[in-house]
Amino acid sequence: EVQLVESGGGLVQPGGSLRLSCAGSGFTFNDYDMHWVRQVTGKGLEWVSSIDTADYTYYPGSVKGRFTISRENARNSLYLQMNSLRVEDTAVYFCTRSGDGGWFDPWGQGTLVTVSS
Amino acid sequence: QSVLTQPPSVSGAPGQRVTISCTGSSSNIGAGFDVHWYQQRPGTVPKLLIYGNSNRPSGVPDRFSGSKSGTSASLAITGLQAEDEADYYCQSYDSSLSGSVVFGGGTKLTVL
Repeated sequence: EVQLVESGGGLVQPGGSLRLSCAGSGFTFNDYDMHWVRQVTGKGLEWVSSIDTADYTYYPGSVKGRFTISRENARNSLYLQMNSLRVEDTAVYFCTRSGDGGWFDPWGQGTLVTVSS
Repeated sequence: QSVLTQPPSVSGAPGQRVTISCTGSSSNIGAGFDVHWYQQRPGTVPKLLIYGNSNRPSGVPDRFSGSKSGTSASLAITGLQAEDEADYYCQSYDSSLSGSVVFGGGTKLTVL
């Protein structure tokens, strides 16, 4: 069974840093592009970052320069280093994968990041 | 404001048919990028519902169907059931920024 399990969320002060991890199992990790998507409670889905199989990385303007996505294929793991966190970064962060077709499946259970003083 | 535009809410009685639109532009759906749909029931994680505009993953009932034309896509649900009450999101890519993933704002389906 394909599984993605996120960890590393928590409470952090504005301006602080946090590192999220996502452990993949049940599939050949390095064959897939990996992504982070977040969701503010009661709101919609927002793409946060992507890393493809060649380690090219992509970010929307809202997090570019503050967040860094990386992967460690030997450990079947995806990471998101979040620096200079803002109150508006508060959300549940999901890890997900995509193949050549570009759809996201499956999704992890999510990890909650709360940025507050 | 989401790059892909969805109606905030739709509703229908059990057994009825509803459609959810997803409107983009020439830099995303109109540029030929596929549209994918996700269902998120309350308190759960998003689940892939339709991929590649009109394909259903194994286990998704054939009551769900997708289509794409021009700069828009649609999700249709026939024979509405109470369990279909959920949020639905469309997703695609945008050529204006390399690798840019775009989502619709989501549509809340209420089964009356």
